[in-house]
Amino acid sequence: GQQLNQSPQSMFIQEGEDVSMNCTSSSIFNTWLWYKQDPGEGPVLLIALYKAGELTSNGRLTAQFGITRKDSFLNISASIPSDVGIYFCAGQLSGSARQLTFGSGTQLTVLP
Amino acid sequence: DGGITQSPKYLFRKEGQNVTLSCEQNLNHDAMYWYRQDPGQGLRLIYYSQIVNDFQKGDIAEGYSVSREKKESFPLTVTSAQKNPTAFYLCASSHLLARTNYGYTFGSGTRLTVV
Repeated sequence: GQQLNQSPQSMFIQEGEDVSMNCTSSSIFNTWLWYKQDPGEGPVLLIALYKAGELTSNGRLTAQFGITRKDSFLNISASIPSDVGIYFCAGQLSGSARQLTFGSGTQLTVLP
Repeated sequence: DGGITQSPKYLFRKEGQNVTLSCEQNLNHDAMYWYRQDPGQGLRLIYYSQIVNDFQKGDIAEGYSVSREKKESFPLTVTSAQKNPTAFYLCASSHLLARTNYGYTFGSGTRLTVV
C-alpha cells in the first residue's frame, strides 16, 4: 500500500527540550492528521490539517501541512514526562474514500 | 458520551482456537476498521467496512474474518489459520459523508496472547 515515511523512528530527549518529527510521501494528500498513542491504549487525535501551508497549534503542539501537500511536521515545545508515547502521522489521499494512510510512528521517551 | 468500545481488554487463546474481538461504536459513524499493531510497529489494516453487510480486505486479512450486520458493530474473528495472532488489535471508526475529514476515532484496543 501507499507509504508514509515518518522520522525519526525513536527519540530520547530531556524534559524541557523541544521535539520535532515529520512525515513525507511521494503522493499528494488532502488532509494530514497527527495522533498520539499512550502505552496500551488506542491513538488519540492531536491535530488535523486541511489546507496546504496551514499551521495549527494545540497547546504546546504545533503542526504544519506542507506547501507541496506531500509532507507535514509536528513540533512539541518544552516536553514533559506525559508526552511519552508513540506519535503517528496520517494522511488522506485524494479519491481514497476518506481512508487514512498511517506513518510507522515515532516513539518518544522523555528523560527526567 | 459517544465513543468506540473494544472488549475484552486482554484475551488469551489456545493454539487452534478461534476467538472473536468485539467493537461497538455509538458515534453514528459509517465506516469501521480493524488494525493490528505488533511491538514497536505501526498500524497494519486487516479489514474495513464502509456500509452494513459489506466489508473489504486490508493488507493482512489472511487468518481473520469480520461481519457488519449492524452499523454500530464490527466484530473481528481471529481464526486458527492465523499463525501468529499475538498482537494488539485496534478498532476505529469514521464518518464518510462529513464535509471535513475528522479522521478516525480509535478504541482502547484488545491485547491478544496465544498460550
